[in-house]
Amino acid sequence: DTAVSQTPKYLVTQMGNDKSIKCEQNLGHDTMYWYKQDSKKFLKIMFSYNNKELIINETVPNRFSPKSPDKAHLNLHINSLELGDSAVYFCASSQDRLGDRGHNEQFFGPGTRLTVL
Amino acid sequence: AQSVTQLGSHVSVSEGALVLLRCNYSSSVPPYLFWYVQYPNQGLQLLLKYTTGATLVKGINGFEAEFKKSETSFHLTKPSAHMSDAAEYFCAVSLAPGGADGLTFGKGTHLIIQP
Repeated sequence: DTAVSQTPKYLVTQMGNDKSIKCEQNLGHDTMYWYKQDSKKFLKIMFSYNNKELIINETVPNRFSPKSPDKAHLNLHINSLELGDSAVYFCASSQDRLGDRGHNEQFFGPGTRLTVL
Repeated sequence: AQSVTQLGSHVSVSEGALVLLRCNYSSSVPPYLFWYVQYPNQGLQLLLKYTTGATLVKGINGFEAEFKKSETSFHLTKPSAHMSDAAEYFCAVSLAPGGADGLTFGKGTHLIIQP
């Protein structure tokens, strides 16, 4: 059983297209995240959702929009893709921030490698 | 705002030798600190974390790290390197115990194990 899964694993597309990446977690966590890892392997938080509410948006362009149909899913929609969007996108989840604080950790998905041509 | 600095983008050690990966942080409040490992073409896996209590933290695969507030450091060590330890290692900081406000990562250290 995969705790945090992402689809697709690889995504190759043309500039200007719109694409989505899906994320699902079966851990019962209340908070989900999207991170971007660039070509130099630098990881940066993009979004965080807690109980379907956005709680972080780290100056990400509004072409990126997270959508959470329920607390087990956090999908990432990207409009008008640009060359600079090429990266590996990681989804992660963690237990509710008001929960057992001493033992929380973020569980990461396997990543989606997006290549924009 | 918090930040993380990992000294050395690449570290090479011989199999069986001590592994030391350096991490320094800056934070205006007591931080919560994490080390993650990323194997090639995979996601991140938590090695260990410091939230409160004992400053020497033991993690998986024989790794440990010590939180030193006076030095604002959280260096990762392993007494004896194994070939399977070759991977990318990330130090991260958060103001919330589980990183619920999002993790701030260092730039990573690529660990190379020489046979």
